[in-house]
Amino acid sequence: GAGVSQSPSNKVTEKGKDVELRCDPISGHTALYWYRQRLGQGLEFLIYFQGNSAPDKSGLPSDRFSAERTGESVSTLTIQRTQQEDSAVYLCASSLAGILAKNIQYFGAGTRLSVL
Amino acid sequence: LAKTTQPISMDSYEGQEVNITCSHNNIATNDYITWYQQFPSQGPRFIIQGYKTKVTNEVASLFIPADRKSSTLSLPRVSLSDTAVYYCLVGDIGTDKLIFGTGTRLQVFP
Repeated sequence: GAGVSQSPSNKVTEKGKDVELRCDPISGHTALYWYRQRLGQGLEFLIYFQGNSAPDKSGLPSDRFSAERTGESVSTLTIQRTQQEDSAVYLCASSLAGILAKNIQYFGAGTRLSVL
Repeated sequence: LAKTTQPISMDSYEGQEVNITCSHNNIATNDYITWYQQFPSQGPRFIIQGYKTKVTNEVASLFIPADRKSSTLSLPRVSLSDTAVYYCLVGDIGTDKLIFGTGTRLQVFP
């Protein structure tokens, strides 16, 4: 595709339910990033993939959060037993190569998650 | 983890030049400084990047002093459409992690 695609664009769920957020990166981009952005706040790093491996999971807030990437392409961020504090926009980005600021990140529009 | 700090907000009027500074004391020696722009309900998008001195493209300039512990994004003659949040991004020398700045909300008035 032309850009990074995220689905769904909006997700409303009940507290305690599991959710899956999907990211389709730009074809050929080996690096993929997930961020969380609470309302009116900055970008909070969650996890980074190089290929299908996640060398840096340090930003995942708790063990309820997990992510995987397959085929050096699609990535899924899963939040189990959602809590109200998980409400935020989840942004995905991809870049041609790995973890340098030099490698321009291309962002999707995000998934807005609301936990009731 | 070192912090990368920016002013929280700035106001300007159309046609003025705006300078936004990012402080990054622990910047990695071998990496660039990259700036992004974010509009409401959109993901950030790349504006400009540089390693040292001055870089200019069609939308902005980036000034980086010799010690690279800060950088200044310069937007010439801003318009209403430049109202957005601006983030710097650098690598941290201590952790090899990428760190986004705290973000600067720019409001341009007519």
